Amino acid sequence: SQTIHQWPATLVQPVGSPLSLECTVEGTSNPNLYWYRQAAGRGLQLLFYSVGIGQISSEVPQNLSASRPQDRQFILSSKKLLLSDSGFYLCAWGRDRTSWGTEAFFGQGTRLTVV
Amino acid sequence: AQSVTQPDIHITVSEGASLELRCNYSYGATPYLFWYVQSPGQGLQLLLKYFSGDTLVQGIKGFEAEFKRSQSSFNLRKPSVHWSDAAEYFCAVVRGISNFGNEKLTFGTGTRLTIIP
Repeated sequence: SQTIHQWPATLVQPVGSPLSLECTVEGTSNPNLYWYRQAAGRGLQLLFYSVGIGQISSEVPQNLSASRPQDRQFILSSKKLLLSDSGFYLCAWGRDRTSWGTEAFFGQGTRLTVV
Repeated sequence: AQSVTQPDIHITVSEGASLELRCNYSYGATPYLFWYVQSPGQGLQLLLKYFSGDTLVQGIKGFEAEFKRSQSSFNLRKPSVHWSDAAEYFCAVVRGISNFGNEKLTFGTGTRLTIIP
């Protein structure tokens, strides 16, 4: 069965420090991978998606970047964190429209607090 | 542009009362619609989904939702809420990624549900 791992679960980082959040998927190949963010008082916003190794699309301009060095690994990064980067980050994977809700899942999320 | 609207930011209901959370979508083609729940400090859990067929779909935890194409709505309902239902609820729709031919999930802004004794 397919599983998705996301870590760390909680992170407190000072302003200006770097960030690296990792997400890995098991039990499937060539998944579509997504990073979502939920800022305080706001809904879930799609940040990045990837349909293959090295293929990254950004949905919104921001201080973050994403990389996909391996088929089932998706990394969210920042060189210098801002206070506004605080939020709840969710990694997700899916294959196509019918996989959402069946084979597609979300990680448990990372709560990032920038201080 | 495709979008999902949840007009109620916060709803408070008494335990045992009925619940309806609203969701409206704007999508040019037949939508694939979902409801997710996020309990405090947790990730997302799928409650139910609509792809096609019967417009009244049943989900987990006693939830149901009805797809109404004429109203572009997919409202979530539960006849009697429990204190454990307190959470944030997200409606979502799959829309296309035109460049790659794949799909991505677009969420509404969520509705926070509070249950009072």
